[in-house]
Order: sequence, then structure tokens, then C-alpha cells
Amino acid sequence: RKEVEQDPGPFNVPEGATVAFNCTYSNSASQSFFWYRQDCRKEPKLLMSVYSSGNEDGRFTAQLNRASQYISLLIRDSKLSDSATYLCGINAGNNRKLIWGLGTSLAVNP
Amino acid sequence: DGGITQSPKYLFRKEGQNVTLSCEQNLNHDAMYWYRQDPGQGLRLIYYSQIVNDFQKGDIAEGYSVSREKKESFPLTVTSAQKNPTAFYLCASKKDSGANVLTFGAGSRLTVL
Repeated sequence: RKEVEQDPGPFNVPEGATVAFNCTYSNSASQSFFWYRQDCRKEPKLLMSVYSSGNEDGRFTAQLNRASQYISLLIRDSKLSDSATYLCGINAGNNRKLIWGLGTSLAVNP
Repeated sequence: DGGITQSPKYLFRKEGQNVTLSCEQNLNHDAMYWYRQDPGQGLRLIYYSQIVNDFQKGDIAEGYSVSREKKESFPLTVTSAQKNPTAFYLCASKKDSGANVLTFGAGSRLTVL
């Protein structure tokens, strides 16, 4: 089993739809969780950190489920500009390295 | 504005040549990282450095070398020993305390002809 796994997609959704991605992790000692957005041929940029209590930023909601060892990202009212690849990054304890998922590709269609 | 600058953005080299990719940050970050990204492979860690004059191998260090002589700079050399050097190379940095949020440079796209 990979340390961090994501469904690569692509997810094709119409504008205005709600879409959710999950990212599962294998190390129960994982402490820090992040969602990054990466546009085609660009660098990843931090979208949200994921907190134990869950957090929301506008149309984006991130949640952590420690019991089942996954994080999720929910996008409401999808915009064309949300089309990108969404990467999850997870830090497992003291090794100071983030482990990355392969990314989930989202295409929002008019 | 603070950030990470990678250069060159695009680089073409002949097989067998060493190339050095530059990474400079003015964020006063302690740790710096080099990743390689290939289609369908995600981000793979090449080398990282948590402090000046010290660095560690990542998951795919073979064929690469780095130095960390200054806090701001972490250049990566792709040597002729790297079998498949054509890739998108990303440099990143973070403060060594607090949240583990990585900031990335815009990347360098290396093509070996």
C-alpha cells in the first residue's frame, strides 16, 4: 500500500457542481495535512492546511478523519477556474518530509 | 516580495552534460527541498537541507548533487550519471518551526536532447 493515495481522476463536473476528493494515508502517526493546487506546467500552491476540527475557506472545505486515515477536500459551486490538479501532502511525525499523493485532476466544464 | 526564484525556467542540454539549476529564496526559511515531477509520478524528493552546510538524500538522489553554502541558496546539479534527467524540477522551502507549509518556486523544465 502506498503511503499516500489519491484517485487520479479526471473528475469532470459542470460549473456549479459540488465535488469532493479524498486522500488516504497509511501512517497513523501523521501529524500535518495539506491540500495544494497545481495548474498545468506550474508549481503547486498551498490551498489549505487541514486541521483536526475541519476548516473552511469560502467554497472550499477540508476535513480530517483520523480513524479512517484520510483527508478530504470539498469544493462547492465549482468555477471554471477551479480546473487544476489537487495534491495532498502529509507529514508523518518528525522526519520533516512531506509525502505527496499523485494528485487528482479536476476539469470544470461550462 | 519574498519568494523562491528558480532559474533557468527552461533548459536544453545534450546527453552527458552536467547542468546546474539555481534556487534562491528570500523568505528566511531554514529548510530547502528539491523535487522532480514526471507525468503520472507525482512529486519525488531528490535532496533536502534543513541547515546551512548540511543536506540529506531524498528518495531519488542518484545522479544528482547539491550544496548549501548559504541559507538563501540550494543549487541542484544534474550529472551525466542521471539516466533520465528530462523532467520538471521544483525547489521548495519552509521554516523549520511551526507549520510544515512548503512554498515552491516556479520550477525549471529540463530537456535532455
